[in-house]
Amino acid sequence: AQSVAQPEDQVNVAEGNPLTVKCTYSVSGNPYLFWYVQYPNRGLQFLLKYITGDNLVKGSYGFEAEFNKSQTSFHLKKPSALVSDSALYFCAVRDIGGGYQKVTFGTGTKLQVIP
Amino acid sequence: ETGVTQSPTHLIKTRGQQVTLRCSSQSGHNTVSWYQQALGQGPQFIFQYYREEENGRGNFPPRFSGLQFPNYSSELNVNALELDDSALYLCASSLGGTQYFGPGTRLLVL
Repeated sequence: AQSVAQPEDQVNVAEGNPLTVKCTYSVSGNPYLFWYVQYPNRGLQFLLKYITGDNLVKGSYGFEAEFNKSQTSFHLKKPSALVSDSALYFCAVRDIGGGYQKVTFGTGTKLQVIP
Repeated sequence: ETGVTQSPTHLIKTRGQQVTLRCSSQSGHNTVSWYQQALGQGPQFIFQYYREEENGRGNFPPRFSGLQFPNYSSELNVNALELDDSALYLCASSLGGTQYFGPGTRLLVL
């Protein structure tokens, strides 16, 4: 079974400061890893994914994530936070060996960027 | 915008009723997945359709059923609605590994 843990319900960061949203995962094989963002009363927007290759993945809106196989982590980062980044962020995992595209989501981390 | 659309945007039903939610996939995407997102939770996988066949299912009872049509649009049907079915229902279409989500349908069961 695959699972995702987002240990922080909420992360507060001052505008202009770097931000990190944490994610750890568990899969039986090699993972596909994803980050999505959700604004109030909206669906999920794709930010970035890791499949293979470079451990540092760059995505939309200046976000990046670092894959760490030994720590089974895939933390989301941004060098300089914007107030408009305030939203709910979901980490997700899919087992590459799975027969279908079941994606398991974490419980979400609310990011609050303080002006 | 992802190109994935869902209808209706909001819906109110009473216990015991049946509901049909619709999803139009992004052009060329042959796989659609449905998720239930309860308030304050992450999306929970309901099932997935690939080329009109269900090819994966999460821990949801049989009263949750679906269809995928030749144009890859999809429906989610829920029979005998329960209060706990109140949630945001999301569909996601994909071609390859990445799923792109629609805006969701918010269902309230009274």
